[in-house]
Amino acid sequence: QQPVQSPQAVILREGEDAVINCSSSKALYSVHWYRQKHGEAPVFLMILLKGGEQKGHEKISASFNEKKQQSSLYLTASQLSYSGTYFCGTEDSGGGADGLTFGKGTHLIIQP
Amino acid sequence: DAGITQSPRHKVTETGTPVTLRCHQTENHRYMYWYRQDPGHGLRLIHYSYGVKDTDKGEVSDGYSVSRSKTEDFLLTLESATSSQTSVYFCAISESGGRREKLFFGSGTQLSVL
Repeated sequence: QQPVQSPQAVILREGEDAVINCSSSKALYSVHWYRQKHGEAPVFLMILLKGGEQKGHEKISASFNEKKQQSSLYLTASQLSYSGTYFCGTEDSGGGADGLTFGKGTHLIIQP
Repeated sequence: DAGITQSPRHKVTETGTPVTLRCHQTENHRYMYWYRQDPGHGLRLIHYSYGVKDTDKGEVSDGYSVSRSKTEDFLLTLESATSSQTSVYFCAISESGGRREKLFFGSGTQLSVL
């Protein structure tokens, strides 16, 4: 079952902050975040493992609450280059089929 | 950048014809995946491989078959293409099956079935 992402789309001005959420009905082992620009392949941003860790990558960071099976991606002081579609991909704790189950994506548009 | 090449990049075909998409990697990674991407659905797993001749089904495997005779090549075949298989197909690789490992994606194949 696909994780649920919210919001589906968000439009920001350059310099504003955004939060993208990812929620699963299954117990999770890890959450991955990817960004895809139009016409291109998805590109890896970060992995979060169970244990409630938080990671950062420049002005993009994320948290993972394994008890709630939720992850959030935080984009601080957004730049034009942050525009794209963000996907979370999850691995459940049950050791099921290999590969990630992706959410439907969040479209992020950054305006000057 | 990970060495992943998908071919063809674009293909238009007719309903009922067989189609084979190829994914070639130069990383010697064990795990390879085929995903399809459709508006409103995100990325969905079709099939994956965990070694030469070792493959398994994903979430949306009906109508698709795969083969992996060499570590570097993973083929996706649509035995008899249907319009519902019009999509963008992405191949991905990882070294150890995704757990703790990021996926590297190819550039995608845009397939149109008329």
